[in-house]
Amino acid sequence: AQSVAQPEDQVNVAEGNPLTVKCTYSVSGNPYLFWYVQYPNRGLQFLLKYITGDNLVKGSYGFEAEFNKSQTSFHLKKPSALVSDSALYFCAVRDMGSGTYKYIFGTGTRLKVLA
Amino acid sequence: DSGVTQTPKHLITATGQRVTLRCSPRSGDLSVYWYQQSLDQGLQFLIQYYNGEERAKGNILERFSAQQFPDLHSELNLSSLELGDSALYFCASSVGTISNTGELFFGEGSRLTVL
Repeated sequence: AQSVAQPEDQVNVAEGNPLTVKCTYSVSGNPYLFWYVQYPNRGLQFLLKYITGDNLVKGSYGFEAEFNKSQTSFHLKKPSALVSDSALYFCAVRDMGSGTYKYIFGTGTRLKVLA
Repeated sequence: DSGVTQTPKHLITATGQRVTLRCSPRSGDLSVYWYQQSLDQGLQFLIQYYNGEERAKGNILERFSAQQFPDLHSELNLSSLELGDSALYFCASSVGTISNTGELFFGEGSRLTVL
């Protein structure tokens, strides 16, 4: 069955430092991968997606993600963290090979950027 | 603003009661997804509808049901409510075609509190 894992419940990083939020996936076919951000008491907002093509995907607010097929990973990165980046981040996968085309979300990683 | 509207934003009710949550998808989106987010939990997929028909089912309890109407809005019905049903319920929409590679657009959620 398709799944997504976010191994870290929380990531702390100092403002101005680079950040990485990890995600690994397991699907039966080609993965369509997504990152979302959720601010307190708000809905999820789309950041970026990987469908095909370049392994490095650029998205909103200076975020980018690197797709690694051999490691089945799709880590979210940002070169320089801002305090305003503090939020809950979700990785998601859409399994285009299963026939259900469901979007499966990870458990989320809370990012805390310290001033 | 994602274009997805959910009502009510907040709902407080008692155990054993029944509530209905409503979702209006983005204009033109045919597919609606329902997710449950409990405290400190990730997003649990409940059910998906496409153009009025059930497309995929996740971890939805038998006490819960949903439907999508001809005007494409959707309702999630929760009955015989228990304390553990207290959660944030999200609706999301997408174009919904099989070949769709797009992201989901989320509403702001309906926060249900069962006392």
